[in-house]
Amino acid sequence: GAVVSQHPSRVICKSGTSVKIECRSLDFQATTMFWYRQFPKQSLMLMATSNEGSKATYEQGVEKDKFLINHASLTLSTLTVTSAHPEDSSFYICSAGRTGFRDTQYFGPGTRLTVL
Amino acid sequence: AQSVAQPEDQVNVAEGNPLTVKCTYSVSGNPYLFWYVQYPNRGLQFLLKYITGDNLVKGSYGFEAEFNKSQTSFHLKKPSALVSDSALYFCAVAIYNTDKLIFGTGTRLQVFP
Repeated sequence: GAVVSQHPSRVICKSGTSVKIECRSLDFQATTMFWYRQFPKQSLMLMATSNEGSKATYEQGVEKDKFLINHASLTLSTLTVTSAHPEDSSFYICSAGRTGFRDTQYFGPGTRLTVL
Repeated sequence: AQSVAQPEDQVNVAEGNPLTVKCTYSVSGNPYLFWYVQYPNRGLQFLLKYITGDNLVKGSYGFEAEFNKSQTSFHLKKPSALVSDSALYFCAVAIYNTDKLIFGTGTRLQVFP
């Protein structure tokens, strides 16, 4: 149990286009999902907390209009990178917890975004 | 401020030998600590966690971790390393009164045959 999927696993796009990344909890419901960004050979940086049915909470320094998050159901959260630029190229990882507060977070396999 | 430190960028160990990956933390309140492993171009896999109770926590793939409150440490251990254990290991602590995790910088474990 506790499987989290992400789609796509890899995407290459041109500068200026928007890219949507989906995060799904396959065998459990997740009221809260998290989006992280990981640069090469670095740790994970929390971008935002996604709550089902409400607005996402963004970490300091993360542009809300740049990284749009929608958590429309208990099993799906999406991250849209709008008007992507090469500096947005990164590895994006989502996670979800099963029961809420202080629960173990289970991570998706990640999405490699390359903006040309 | 809450933080977690992994002092070693890389740990090298021979197959069959015991391994230790170090983690120290600084938190407000009771610590909620986690270990995750990441294989190349993959997401993180949960290994184990400490919430409360026994200081020695057993997890997946034969890993265990020892919570030491006085030393504010949560070192990951395994009695006998396998080549397949070679990966990037992250220690994480939950921020007080939230669901958010703070991750350490990661330690690359290299197990040599």
